[in-house]
Amino acid sequence: QQPVQSPQAVILREGEDAVINCSSSKALYSVHWYRQKHGEAPVFLMILLKGGEQKGHDKISASFNEKKQQSSLYLTASQLSYSGTYFCGTERNRDDKIIFGKGTRLHILP
Amino acid sequence: ETGVTQSPTHLIKTRGQQVTLRCSSQSGHNTVSWYQQALGQGPQFIFQYYREEENGRGNFPPRFSGLQFPNYSSELNVNALELDDSALYLCASSLKTSGGPDTQYFGPGTRLTVL
Repeated sequence: QQPVQSPQAVILREGEDAVINCSSSKALYSVHWYRQKHGEAPVFLMILLKGGEQKGHDKISASFNEKKQQSSLYLTASQLSYSGTYFCGTERNRDDKIIFGKGTRLHILP
Repeated sequence: ETGVTQSPTHLIKTRGQQVTLRCSSQSGHNTVSWYQQALGQGPQFIFQYYREEENGRGNFPPRFSGLQFPNYSSELNVNALELDDSALYLCASSLKTSGGPDTQYFGPGTRLTVL
């Protein structure tokens, strides 16, 4: 079951904040977040496990709401380098394969 | 840089041909997963190899096959190529342990074009 990401695309000015959501209709074990720039490989950002934890580094953080089976990625004071497509990948259990969403395209304007 | 390498970078084949893509995993990793990424889509899971055995397979036909070697590098083979096989093929390496999820690190990918 592919997770649903929203919004599909967002345009921001440098310094603005963004939230990207990832929802599943099934109970999840983990949520993985990646950023992919055009023509490049996806780059790992962070992973969250069920238990409702929140993680972050620099100005990018994420949360996992186990009740809603939803994860949100927060980008604060966005920088030009944040531009790219953000993918969430979900696992239903420890030995499951990762299923990726269709991605959210983020474009930061100077 | 993740330390995961893939070859070749680009490849052009014709329909019906066969192709082999290669992936070298990050040092210390024992698991390789292969994904197909069509333009504008997220990566789609093809299969995973853990300690030289297939460890899960996505919804891909048998003409997609793979191999993992004792040094944990891996190959993806696709037979009887079809036009729809044109995509970016990504491999991701990880260290599968008894506890916790796998963090997968992607290689740069191989862009396959089927004419």
